[in-house]
Amino acid sequence: AQSVTQLDSQVPVFEEAPVELRCNYSSSVSVYLFWYVQYPNQGLQLLLKYLSGSTLVKGINGFEAEFNKSQTSFHLRKPSVHISDTAEYFCAVSDLRGSQGNLIFGKGTKLSVKP
Amino acid sequence: DTGVSQDPRHKITKRGQNVTFRCDPISEHNRLYWYRQTLGQGPEFLTYFQNEAQLEKSRLLSDRFSAERPKGSFSTLEIQRTEQGDSAMYLCASSRTLADYGTEQYFGPGTRLTVT
Repeated sequence: AQSVTQLDSQVPVFEEAPVELRCNYSSSVSVYLFWYVQYPNQGLQLLLKYLSGSTLVKGINGFEAEFNKSQTSFHLRKPSVHISDTAEYFCAVSDLRGSQGNLIFGKGTKLSVKP
Repeated sequence: DTGVSQDPRHKITKRGQNVTFRCDPISEHNRLYWYRQTLGQGPEFLTYFQNEAQLEKSRLLSDRFSAERPKGSFSTLEIQRTEQGDSAMYLCASSRTLADYGTEQYFGPGTRLTVT
């Protein structure tokens, strides 16, 4: 079975500072990896995904993530955050074996950007 | 593309009552998923449809829960004899069917259920 661990439940950061949100996964098979963002009172929106190929994935809003197979990690980074990045971020995996593609999510990291 | 919509957005019910939620996926998407999100947790998979066929159900989906997608378009999720532990945000998502299982799931805004 797969599982996802987001090591930080809350990350406070000042505006224009860099940020890294950590994600580790556990799986006995190959997986696809995703980062979603959830703004207050809204649904989840896909930031980026890793399927194959280059381990550095670029997404929307200036975010990027790096897949590290040996460390089973998929950390999300942004070099300079804005107030508008304040939201909850979820890392998720999808089992390549299954045909249903349902996502397994971590518990989320609340990013709080302060002026 | 009007996005995934869910109705109602909020529902308050008394314990023991039945509730039904509706999800309208993006029109050309034939996969539809239901997830449940409780406070402080990430979404948890409940069930999945490919067109009108319900192909998988999580062990989280007790026999009080039933989901349908009668014509392969909108879906309903019914909870019978609600319990306080059912209080959560119920999220619906849809996606296309492609050989690539990494296709993006598009999420609706959710229905927040409060059982008093």
